[in-house]
Formats: sequence, structure tokens, C-alpha cells
Amino acid sequence: QKEVEQNSGPLSVPEGAIASLNCTYSDRGSQSFFWYRQYSGKSPELIMFIYSNGDKEDGRFTAQLNKASQYVSLLIRDSQPSDSATYLCAVSRSSASKIIFGSGTRLSIRP
Amino acid sequence: SQTIHQWPATLVQPVGSPLSLECTVEGTSNPNLYWYRQAAGRGLQLLFYSVGIGQISSEVPQNLSASRPQDRQFILSSKKLLLSDSGFYLCAWSVYQGAGNGYTFGSGTRLTVV
Repeated sequence: QKEVEQNSGPLSVPEGAIASLNCTYSDRGSQSFFWYRQYSGKSPELIMFIYSNGDKEDGRFTAQLNKASQYVSLLIRDSQPSDSATYLCAVSRSSASKIIFGSGTRLSIRP
Repeated sequence: SQTIHQWPATLVQPVGSPLSLECTVEGTSNPNLYWYRQAAGRGLQLLFYSVGIGQISSEVPQNLSASRPQDRQFILSSKKLLLSDSGFYLCAWSVYQGAGNGYTFGSGTRLTVV
């Protein structure tokens, strides 16, 4: 079992709709959770991090964490073509531990 | 503000040739530094990390080595490249020894071994 699992996609969403990206992790002791966005040929860019169960909102992005289900998700509201990218979920056991990355979900926003 | 620089951006090297990739961080002291590799269509694989000058931890035994000769300089090397060394090499830094609030990545080096 992979430590961090994501559906590779591609996930195709119409412009203006909500894109929902999901991630599961295997280490029940994980405490820190991150979402990175990676455009084709570019390096990953941190867009959200979350530590507590529930929702965390930042502009059009909402990260959701459910530690009991070992599940973290990213919602993108009012999806734009510029949101088309690969989204990497990443997990760490603690703030003093290294980050483990999933292999990413490719998101495509169609006009 | 802090910035991270990586060079070169792209590199094509023959099998058996040496490799040296450099990463520097500006605007901070004693950063934690990381080298990752991303194979085509794959996730990020942590290769090395360093919490200080001369302190290197290897995550995956392989054909590569890393060094940190100065506080804000991190170098990835190989004596003889293999075809399997092709990939996108990313340097990252963090303030904390660990995940903290996440890592910041450099722009990466795309290495093709031919």
C-alpha cells in the first residue's frame, strides 16, 4: 500500500464548476497535510496546508481533513482554465518529520 | 524575502558522464535543504536532505551523492550517470527541520541521460 494515494486522473471539470480532488494516506499518526499545484514542466507550488480536522478555506480553495477516515481533499470553486495542473497531496507524521508526496491528480478545466 | 535558485534548467548528458547540480538559497540562514527527483508521470522521490553544513542524510541508495559545502548551498552529484538517472530534479528548502508549513521548491533541472 502506498503511503499517500491519489487518483492519477485526468479529472475533467467544466469551467465555473467545483473541482474535487481526493487523497488517502496510510499512516494514522500523520499530523500535517499539504496540497501542491504543479503546472506541466514546472516545480510544485504550495497552495494549502491543514493540520486540524474540518475545513480550511483560502479564496477559491478549501482543504478538508478527516483523520478518522485518513482522507484529505481539496475543493476548487469557480474552476478556471488556469487551474489546469497536477495537484500533489503530501503528508507528514509531524512538523519535525519529512513530507511524503502522492503521485498527483491531473486536473483539466474545460471551457 | 527568501529565494531558491537551481541551475542549470535543462541538461542532456551521455551515459557514464559526471553530474553536478547546484542549489542555493538566499534570504535565510541555516535552512533545511532537500533534493527530490520526479520521473516522468511519477511522484516526488526524496533523495537527500541536510539540516546543516556537511550533514547529509540519504533516503535512497543509488548512483547519486549530495554535499553541503556552505550554509545555503546544496549540490547533487554523480560520478557516472545511468539512463535511469533521467528525471526532473528539484531542490527544496524549509525553515523547520521537518514538514513545518511545507517546503518551497526551486525551479528544477530537467536531466536527460542519453
